[in-house]
Amino acid sequence: ELKVEQNPLFLSMQEGKNYTIYCNYSTTSDRLYWYRQDPGKSLESLFVLLSNGAVKQEGRLMASLDTKARLSTLHITAAVHDLSATYFCAVDPPTSGTYKYIFGTGTRLKVLA
Amino acid sequence: GAVVSQHPSRVICKSGTSVKIECRSLDFQATTMFWYRQFPKQSLMLMATSNEGSKATYEQGVEKDKFLINHASLTLSTLTVTSAHPEDSSFYICSADRPHDRSTDTQYFGPGTRLTVL
Repeated sequence: ELKVEQNPLFLSMQEGKNYTIYCNYSTTSDRLYWYRQDPGKSLESLFVLLSNGAVKQEGRLMASLDTKARLSTLHITAAVHDLSATYFCAVDPPTSGTYKYIFGTGTRLKVLA
Repeated sequence: GAVVSQHPSRVICKSGTSVKIECRSLDFQATTMFWYRQFPKQSLMLMATSNEGSKATYEQGVEKDKFLINHASLTLSTLTVTSAHPEDSSFYICSADRPHDRSTDTQYFGPGTRLTVL
């Protein structure tokens, strides 16, 4: 059974600090996605990582992918309150030609002013 | 960008009634749509894959007779929760598959439907 695990599950951090969220998955996948979800809302796409070694950055967030280690990281630099949300990673191992997403457990981030 | 809508956004119903949720891809055709369920403070769980013109594929543990899926056209999939009970209360999110440009997301998510069964 494919498992996608994130840690930490909960993260409370001060504004201005740096931190990393980890996403581990248990089967082969060369694509990984990061999403943000605000309370009561659907998903907002953050990053699409397409290959081993991929690194993408947008503002204070940077995501990377190591397919050999089956690990992706989402690094937060100098956090601000607006980054408070739940972050999900997802993988889409090809299964019978259908690319269905399997989501991680989620990381609830709270940035304290 | 690709847009996916859901209707209704919120629904409250009595136990035992059936509720239909619509998922539409507004500016592209989607042969495949997905239905997810999300309980409070939990992750998204894939319920089923909806295929246009054929039967849906349900994930293990999801009752196909309770969660009826119809993908009648390339832009519309519906999820009907039959004989809803309080334990079916959840946030239901659909997504539409758009695989043509694999350098971006291939799934585009709807805004979700909050179902509350009294």
